[in-house]
Amino acid sequence: QKEVEQDPGPLSVPEGAIVSLNCTYSNSAFQYFMWYRQYSRKGPELLMYTYSSGNKEDGRFTAQVDKSSKYISLFIRDSQPSDSATYLCAGGRGSNYKLTFGKGTLLTVNP
Amino acid sequence: GAVVSQHPSWVICKSGTSVKIECRSLDFQATTMFWYRQFPKQSLMLMATSNEGSKATYEQGVEKDKFLINHASLTLSTLTVTSAHPEDSSFYICSATTGRTMNTEAFFGQGTRLTVV
Repeated sequence: QKEVEQDPGPLSVPEGAIVSLNCTYSNSAFQYFMWYRQYSRKGPELLMYTYSSGNKEDGRFTAQVDKSSKYISLFIRDSQPSDSATYLCAGGRGSNYKLTFGKGTLLTVNP
Repeated sequence: GAVVSQHPSWVICKSGTSVKIECRSLDFQATTMFWYRQFPKQSLMLMATSNEGSKATYEQGVEKDKFLINHASLTLSTLTVTSAHPEDSSFYICSATTGRTMNTEAFFGQGTRLTVV
């Protein structure tokens, strides 16, 4: 079993929809979780990071972590065509910031 | 956020030659840099972790003699793919972090697409 599992999609939604992206993980040692957005042929850019179970909100984005079920989610409200990208979840531990990534979910928001 | 610059953005080389990729932190000192490889529709796979002034730590299955990593200063790390072969064609991405306890963000470069022909 891979340490971080993520459904690769693709996921296609209409503009304005609420998008739910999900990952599961198996490594109990993960201390923090990140969501990255990656446009085609570009490096990932950090969207959200969380250290504990619960929700964290930033604008249209909400990150949710449930450590009891080892489940992490990213919700995008009022999705826009510019949100079309691959979304990567990652788990990390230690201060050296070594991350383990999921495969990424390709999202397309249709105008 | 902080800026990490990777150069070149893309490179095509002949089989058997070596290619060097640079990763620079432009506005902060990066005590730790990471090198990843990403195949199409696959996740980022960590290749190695490098700390300034010390030898890189390679992940299992990554040949350290083939992928030479140098982190000679706090703002520059290089990855050299030696004797490149077509199977080395991939997207190589670096990330850099200050490593401060309260700052666990790592910033990614824009990636380098390597094509070996």
